[in-house]
Amino acid sequence: EVQLVESGGGLVQPGGSLRLSCAASGFTFSSYEMNWVRQAPGKGLEWVSYISSSGSTIYYADSVKGRFTISRDNAKNSLYLQMNSLRAEDTAVYYCARGVRYSNYFDYWGQGTLVTVSS
Amino acid sequence: DIQMTQSPSSLSASVGDRVTITCRASQSISSYLNWYQQKPGKAPKLLIYAASSLQSGVPSRFSGSGSGTDFTLTISSLQPEDFATYYCQQSYSTPRVTFGPGTKVDIK
Repeated sequence: EVQLVESGGGLVQPGGSLRLSCAASGFTFSSYEMNWVRQAPGKGLEWVSYISSSGSTIYYADSVKGRFTISRDNAKNSLYLQMNSLRAEDTAVYYCARGVRYSNYFDYWGQGTLVTVSS
Repeated sequence: DIQMTQSPSSLSASVGDRVTITCRASQSISSYLNWYQQKPGKAPKLLIYAASSLQSGVPSRFSGSGSGTDFTLTISSLQPEDFATYYCQQSYSTPRVTFGPGTKVDIK
């Protein structure tokens, strides 16, 4: 069974940093592209970042470029999102999602982890 | 960037109703259109990919159609478990994808 389990969310002050993790199991993690998608409270879905299966290709949404860094450790079956210079508008539930190769629609999602940026 | 719109933003329907949700892209996206269902407090679930392909395990009352800029998601006979918010997503500009604003389906 495919499982994606996020962790690392919490309350952080504006300007602070947080690192999210996503532990994958039930599939060959190193063969799949991965993404982070977020959802602000009561709002819709926003794609945040993409990383290729090898980690060699990375993309970011303009809203987080220069502040967030996506990475992965295929030996540990884990995906990460380092978030720096956090703003109130980054407050959201962050989901990791498995991308379908070459198409980047998301066939499996984690349960999400809540990040709250507030003083 | 490709912008996605959905209509209506919300609708009220009864069990057994036929429900249609429309999604429009700001430019042609061929058939690179996907649909998700999200229930409160839960992660989204993939329903339809490539405009009309049913994801494994999804009931056949869900169907998708369209190409180019205009797409529809149809639920042929609404069931109690179908009350949720539905999002379209374009993957034409993969991996930079965008979602529609969502359509909330609730009980009449």
